[in-house]
Amino acid sequence: EPEVTQTPSHQVTQMGQEVILRCVPISNHLYFYWYRQILGQKVEFLVSFYNNEISEKSEIFDDQFSVERPDGSNFTLKIRSTKLEDSAMYFCASSENSGLVDTQYFGPGTRLTVL
Amino acid sequence: KNEVEQSPQNLTAQEGEFITINCSYSVGISALHWLQQHPGGGIVSLFMLSSGKKKHGRLIATINIQEKHSSLHITASHPRDSAVYICAVLNTGNQFYFGTGTSLTVIP
Repeated sequence: EPEVTQTPSHQVTQMGQEVILRCVPISNHLYFYWYRQILGQKVEFLVSFYNNEISEKSEIFDDQFSVERPDGSNFTLKIRSTKLEDSAMYFCASSENSGLVDTQYFGPGTRLTVL
Repeated sequence: KNEVEQSPQNLTAQEGEFITINCSYSVGISALHWLQQHPGGGIVSLFMLSSGKKKHGRLIATINIQEKHSSLHITASHPRDSAVYICAVLNTGNQFYFGTGTSLTVIP
């Protein structure tokens, strides 16, 4: 069964450093999402992406964040200058159609630890 | 303010019991998702619904748009159903809002 993959599974970085979290969505999916979950808290929506551009973004997704689909298979989340409060589990998801009509498939997550 | 409220927060059941988890939301929605988060953190989408009822195996999800309420039912619960169940809504502005989850433990 096709699945969404994410790398790395765990990333440790120093505050102020740039990180790139990588996701490989399911191959025929067209809609891509990033979510984060701070330890012990609820999942939060960051951004949705379709047709090579951001469809929606939350208040969390400020200028420090960016997303890209560089090569038609990978979908990346970049945090330019990490802060301690960026420490969280980051989940990528994809769906064939929009979240209006289709279920999303989630990756296993990347745990980001900012020291 | 929480756009999505779930109850109960924690639930312990004996194997075989019928379980209901509730979700209420305060925004106009286009769709509602029920997700399952395993102890290891992985998230699985269970249902996406915008009206009525859906069934998959022992799981049933219902939604009442007028009352802004959805329920997830598990029949004949099993220890492997132990997980956190999360309700998430897509509002009419295409923003996702998540509930805090219901932690279910099914005891053999």
